Amino acid sequence: QLQLQESGPGLVKPSETLSLTCTVSGDSISNSNYYWGWIRQPPGKGLEYIGSIFYAGSTYYNPSLESRVTISLDASENQFSLRLTSVTAADTAVYYCARRLLGSDFDYWGQGTLVIVSS
Amino acid sequence: EIVLTQSPPTLSLSPGERATLSCRASQSVSSYLAWYQQKPGQAPRLLIYDVSDRATGIPARFSGSGSGTDFTLTISSLEPEDFAVYYCQQRSNWPITFGQGTRLEIK
Repeated sequence: QLQLQESGPGLVKPSETLSLTCTVSGDSISNSNYYWGWIRQPPGKGLEYIGSIFYAGSTYYNPSLESRVTISLDASENQFSLRLTSVTAADTAVYYCARRLLGSDFDYWGQGTLVIVSS
Repeated sequence: EIVLTQSPPTLSLSPGERATLSCRASQSVSSYLAWYQQKPGQAPRLLIYDVSDRATGIPARFSGSGSGTDFTLTISSLEPEDFAVYYCQQRSNWPITFGQGTRLEIK
């Protein structure tokens, strides 16, 4: 059974960098059938797509965040990571990692992790 | 970016009733439209992909329809566990976007 688990600091100071890792179990992150992505949800609001990475390393970022986002992949650890620089209170959200099948949609999600941006 | 507008924002129905949720796109998304269900404190769950294909394990009471810019999620007979927030999502145009959600609440 595929499982995704987000991990990282729950509190980040304004102007600093948010860093999260998603650990995948039950499947290889090097599987060429999938993208691995990040989606966030501010408290009480809707979902925002952040970006994805393909097993070969190709990345796809939401233009609204592209200047601040980096998604990377560590096949040896079966993990992928999110870095978001220069955070503000507007980046406070539950951050989800998820798997997207090629030619389809996000079929497996992590439980989500709340990141609060505050001094 | 394609904007997805969901209606109504809130839908109040009773168990056993039929629910019809709408999603309208600002331009055609072809057949690349999905629906998710989200319960409080949980991650979204994929219900429908490619307009009308049910994801693995999704009950037959959930169905999707539509084309181009207008799409519908129908729940034929509401079960107590169906009361949740529903989001549509498109992957036709970059970036992937989500609707703002419809809250399905018990009347």
